[in-house]
Amino acid sequence: DTGVSQNPRHKITKRGQNVTFRCDPISEHNRLYWYRQTLGQGPEFLTYFQNEAQLEKSRLLSDRFSAERPKGSFSTLEIQRTEQGDSAMYLCASSGTSGRENTGELFFGEGSRLTVL
Amino acid sequence: GQSLEQPSEVTAVEGAIVQINCTYQTSGFYGLSWYQQHDGGAPTFLSYNALDGLEETGRFSSFLSRSDSYGYLLLQELQMKDSASYFCAVRRAPSNDYKLSFGAGTTVTVRA
Repeated sequence: DTGVSQNPRHKITKRGQNVTFRCDPISEHNRLYWYRQTLGQGPEFLTYFQNEAQLEKSRLLSDRFSAERPKGSFSTLEIQRTEQGDSAMYLCASSGTSGRENTGELFFGEGSRLTVL
Repeated sequence: GQSLEQPSEVTAVEGAIVQINCTYQTSGFYGLSWYQQHDGGAPTFLSYNALDGLEETGRFSSFLSRSDSYGYLLLQELQMKDSASYFCAVRRAPSNDYKLSFGAGTTVTVRA
């Protein structure tokens, strides 16, 4: 059983550089989410895809952030001109037509931790 | 806007019972979920309440009172492996949109 996979797991970069994270959801899931989590806080919603369509973006997602999900499979989250405030764990989650769909269960990956120096 | 309040930390001994309360104020409410996250791990789903009452899943139970905007997660027969952070999360949309608003989490420490 393959869960949600994210890479890289850790990324250290200098301020001003661009970074890209990849998420491979559970294969039969058509919905994919990006969340951001900082230390001592719960995950905060960033954006949501249904298949390849990006249906919603949080106001947290500044113009420096862009997410794609070509062909409705894997997704990428790119952060341009990184700032120290972007340091966080970036979590990807997916959901779909499982038997527990009505519970709103999200299946999370283990995240990509970004440190901006 | 929305806010979810839950205690920041709880410590208990093995075998004990812990109740984690969650109060919420949201623009729209459809259900309350609970997730567990071990250090460095992925949040994993524990339970979901859309209707008032108690949902029991093994050692864990979750309760919801929509009129009080309140819920709790009950951890029974605590084990060392239950040491983790626990998040309540509100599902606001009445559709199939599973966007969740999470609380800041409660760190549960289980002592021998």
